[in-house]
Amino acid sequence: AQTVTQSQPEMSVQEAETVTLSCTYDTSESDYYLFWYKQPPSRQMILVIRQEAYKQQNATENRFSVNFQKAAKSFSLKISDSQLGDAAMYFCAYRITYGGATNKLIFGTGTLLAVQP
Amino acid sequence: GAVVSQHPSRVICKSGTSVKIECRSLDFQATTMFWYRQFPKQSLMLMATSNEGSKATYEQGVEKDKFLINHASLTLSTLTVTSAHPEDSSFYICSASILARDEQYFGPGTRLTVT
Repeated sequence: AQTVTQSQPEMSVQEAETVTLSCTYDTSESDYYLFWYKQPPSRQMILVIRQEAYKQQNATENRFSVNFQKAAKSFSLKISDSQLGDAAMYFCAYRITYGGATNKLIFGTGTLLAVQP
Repeated sequence: GAVVSQHPSRVICKSGTSVKIECRSLDFQATTMFWYRQFPKQSLMLMATSNEGSKATYEQGVEKDKFLINHASLTLSTLTVTSAHPEDSSFYICSASILARDEQYFGPGTRLTVT
């Protein structure tokens, strides 16, 4: 069964500094999607970044980038120039595709990121 | 674009009563909607997947008779918690996708408190 593991329950970063959140996953599939979602205190889930497994190039969205290591089944999120608004719970997620017919997200346990001014 | 709403945002009900939560896709037609449950400081756990016009598929351990899901139109899915008990108190989140294999767009969630 597919699993997603986030080994850092909490992290802290100084404003303007860089922080990396870790995520590992387990799967026997070769084609899949990985995501990082942000959940601020409002509880609204916000998609931060997405990576397609067949793409070797790491995804980047402004200050957010990933380090995708397919062989190691690792998918870390780097936040550069951290801002106070980045403080939130971050969830790593893996998407299962059943024969292209449907999809299902498996979430990690989350990392609570605090940003210190 | 791709906005999903939930109603109500908060609800308090008495033990033994039923409560309905609505999930609407406001600017797109969603063939598939998902219902998640999130306990405080925990992750999202998928409860069920619903496809428009067909019966929902429930995850293992989720009681389908207790959590009734209806996806009667391409823009509306409802979750009814029947005979609610205090242990059903939780944060319920829905998501919707245009096609089953597409991106999921999340609603803002509904906080249910059963007294």
